[in-house]
Amino acid sequence: GDSVTQMEGPVTLSEEAFLTINCTYTATGYPSLFWYVQYPGEGLQLLLKATKADDKGSNKGFEATYRKETTSFHLEKGSVQVSDSAVYFCALRRDAGNMLTFGGGTRLMVKP
Amino acid sequence: EPEVTQTPSHQVTQMGQEVILRCVPISNHLYFYWYRQILGQKVEFLVSFYNNEISEKSEIFDDQFSVERPDGSNFTLKIRSTKLEDSAMYFCASSESQSPYNEQFFGPGTRLTVL
Repeated sequence: GDSVTQMEGPVTLSEEAFLTINCTYTATGYPSLFWYVQYPGEGLQLLLKATKADDKGSNKGFEATYRKETTSFHLEKGSVQVSDSAVYFCALRRDAGNMLTFGGGTRLMVKP
Repeated sequence: EPEVTQTPSHQVTQMGQEVILRCVPISNHLYFYWYRQILGQKVEFLVSFYNNEISEKSEIFDDQFSVERPDGSNFTLKIRSTKLEDSAMYFCASSESQSPYNEQFFGPGTRLTVL
């Protein structure tokens, strides 16, 4: 079945550091890929998405590129802020389905 | 900005009791979903619902679970006889369509604790 694997956290960075959170997936066909973010006490919010190979999703300074050859969708940001502290979830969704398949989540802590 | 709401935020129940978790999806959305996250584990899909029918469900969604849209605004998840292993955070979500181009908007979750 489909699966998503992402790096375990917590990831602790200083403000303005470079962020990478790795995500790889296993799925049949050509899934769409997503990054969701969950701030404390809130629900999951879509951060960015990519629906086909080589697409780059971007939002709020975060980027991720759909790499079919390596089945990856790594999340990056050039300069993190304290306000980026949250849990980040990588997810996929098959063309023919409704369900999102999530990775385990990675907690990011950014220190001033 | 429209948002998905869920009540209650925290529900504590005894094993074997029935619970109903409530969600109010975004008003013009047509597709509704339930997910759950057991503490320390992945967010898992339970069920999707469209046009008053279940459109997809996972292996987790057995006969103990049911969903309903009792009126034009609410979407509920019922667990008939709760077990200890049902303790989890339950997230409701909704979307305009089932296209991957349409975002699933999530609520803040209901934490269910089964004693």
